[in-house]
Amino acid sequence: GIQVEQSPPDLILQEGANSTLRCNFSDSVNNLQWFHQNPWGQLINLFYIPSGTKQNGRLSATTVATERYSLLYISSSQTTDSGVYFCAVDSGDKLTFGTGTRLAVRP
Amino acid sequence: EAGVAQSPRYKIIEKRQSVAFWCNPISGHATLYWYQQILGQGPKLLIQFQNNGVVDDSQLPKDRFSAERLKGVDSTLKIQPAKLEDSAVYLCASSVAGEQYFGPGTRLTVT
Repeated sequence: GIQVEQSPPDLILQEGANSTLRCNFSDSVNNLQWFHQNPWGQLINLFYIPSGTKQNGRLSATTVATERYSLLYISSSQTTDSGVYFCAVDSGDKLTFGTGTRLAVRP
Repeated sequence: EAGVAQSPRYKIIEKRQSVAFWCNPISGHATLYWYQQILGQGPKLLIQFQNNGVVDDSQLPKDRFSAERLKGVDSTLKIQPAKLEDSAVYLCASSVAGEQYFGPGTRLTVT
């Protein structure tokens, strides 16, 4: 099956800093989603982005499908951004989640 | 628009007991999924429904897990008998046009 790897696995930021999270996948995909899992376990949709670039406030994402990667940018980080960020890809049969990036934003 | 609803939010049972989880998807979403998320890992698909038919249950441990989606709306996931390794968060999701939306999950602890 398709392999999905995320980097870095762990990230600590000072409030106000910027960061880039990466998601690599091993095969072509039909769609890609980024989620934020907050400390209470809720998975929150960030982006549905099979290709191209999208922006939503301080967050933006870019997927380069031909090169099999996606990037999530977080600017001016806030403590509420803490949690685990997952990318998940659909290669035609099911959604496969990556390994996650655990982010801690310090005040 | 109401999100995906799940209940209960927490459940503690002893091994060999049975347990059931309930999910109500977003109105109009024909596709419903159950995932298992073990601590420190990403969610893993257990079963996918399209309306009331099963699309994929290849990763469902059928000797102890069962799921149904009567009338193509609500769904229940059952574990009988439970094992210690079933301790996890069970997530329900529904989708439209390929984008999945998740409920708050049920945290199961098997002692």
